[in-house]
Amino acid sequence: KAGVTQTPRYLIKTRGQQVTLSCSPISGHRSVSWYQQTPGQGLQFLFEYFSETQRNKGNFPGRFSGRQFSNSRSEMNVSTLELGDSALYLCASSLGDRGSYGYTFGSGTRLTVV
Amino acid sequence: DAKTTQPTSMDCAEGRAANLPCNHSTISGNEYVYWYRQIHSQGPQYIIHGLKNNETNEMASLIITEDRKSSTLILPHATLRDTAVYYCIVRSTIQGAQKLVFGQGTRLTINP
Repeated sequence: KAGVTQTPRYLIKTRGQQVTLSCSPISGHRSVSWYQQTPGQGLQFLFEYFSETQRNKGNFPGRFSGRQFSNSRSEMNVSTLELGDSALYLCASSLGDRGSYGYTFGSGTRLTVV
Repeated sequence: DAKTTQPTSMDCAEGRAANLPCNHSTISGNEYVYWYRQIHSQGPQYIIHGLKNNETNEMASLIITEDRKSSTLILPHATLRDTAVYYCIVRSTIQGAQKLVFGQGTRLTINP
């Protein structure tokens, strides 16, 4: 079966612009989480959605937002891009919100802000 | 606020067993131990998880101590393709909002 699909794979944006990243979870998965990975900070949790509701949010500024659609696909948006937003953005999906359900990660979107 | 402690790096010879330790001394009774690995610039790959008992799958074995304060991931016959960063994570079984808290992981290098 198809894995977690993230688009686009690579993106270059200019400071001040905004960007939208997309994530299509594994069919049947209802939980989608987003993570930011940078060399300095490692993997950091951004937010998690379950059945179109944001259930948990990490410690990121309000410029970072997201949403989940009825088909469980998710998007995250970053407005007023800063150089420090350059990172690998990873999406992970899970069947549900129980601890026994593992997460499957996508290959990520590498965002470069210049 | 990672709940796990792992060595920064480890080396292992190809063909030998790689044993990766993880300390999770503050783990609570309802938290699973998960292991993921990440090969350069790819998304983390699920390896194995467990609650109390030892677990084995086609990739690895997970040994959890009786007091559940530490665990060891065992790759029985390491190959060069097992070179990666390995993350040990605890995750609550309680239904509801959850997140994976990643530490810095262990950079495992398999040497020929």
